[in-house]
Amino acid sequence: DQQVKQNSPSLSVQEGRISILNCDYTNSMFDYFLWYKKYPAEGPTFLISISSIKDKNEDGRFTVFLNKSAKHLSLHIVPSQPGDSAVYFCAASVDTSGTYKYIFGTGTRLKVLA
Amino acid sequence: ETGVTQTPRHLVMGMTNKKSLKCEQHLGHNAMYWYKQSAKKPLELMFVYSLEERVENNSVPSRFSPECPNSSHLFLHLHTLQPEDSALYLCASSPQAGLNQPQHFGDGTRLSIL
Repeated sequence: DQQVKQNSPSLSVQEGRISILNCDYTNSMFDYFLWYKKYPAEGPTFLISISSIKDKNEDGRFTVFLNKSAKHLSLHIVPSQPGDSAVYFCAASVDTSGTYKYIFGTGTRLKVLA
Repeated sequence: ETGVTQTPRHLVMGMTNKKSLKCEQHLGHNAMYWYKQSAKKPLELMFVYSLEERVENNSVPSRFSPECPNSSHLFLHLHTLQPEDSALYLCASSPQAGLNQPQHFGDGTRLSIL
């Protein structure tokens, strides 16, 4: 029973256009959300995060939107670049007795076409 | 850049072998984590250490035995593994286990059980 779902396993976008990656969650106790990017043969790299008290966080070309009522977050990349081609993981954080645990989605493979 | 180093990068072992995975972080963090990523599955948290004390054991079989001799080093000792244990094992660290801060991942050890 997955608490964090990324329903699109892959996405292709033309260079310069917007990439939108989606993530849904089921646990209303999640209070912090993160996006990680992973290249082949490398570990996940932290990209951007958002606290549940906000609905938007922006960092350069990357913006994360949080819709708590819909239990949905999305990552927007504008403009998309070929170097953005990677697998993107959504993660949600929950406090379990003083330790924060991350629950990850299965990832979306983004391909940015030149 | 990788402040978290994992060795070996690849490991092939028989079911009766004993081997160890090593993780070292150079970020001055106090929390370290082991994750397992199987094909087409999300990252699964295995263990959490905070200041060398195990604070989370996510129902992991006893054939996986973690060790944290100091806050910079984390080991995962393996013995009598099963073929379904073949996966990518990722180590991560964060400043504190009790704070909502991004975790930093190593590049992982790809483990294959014959």
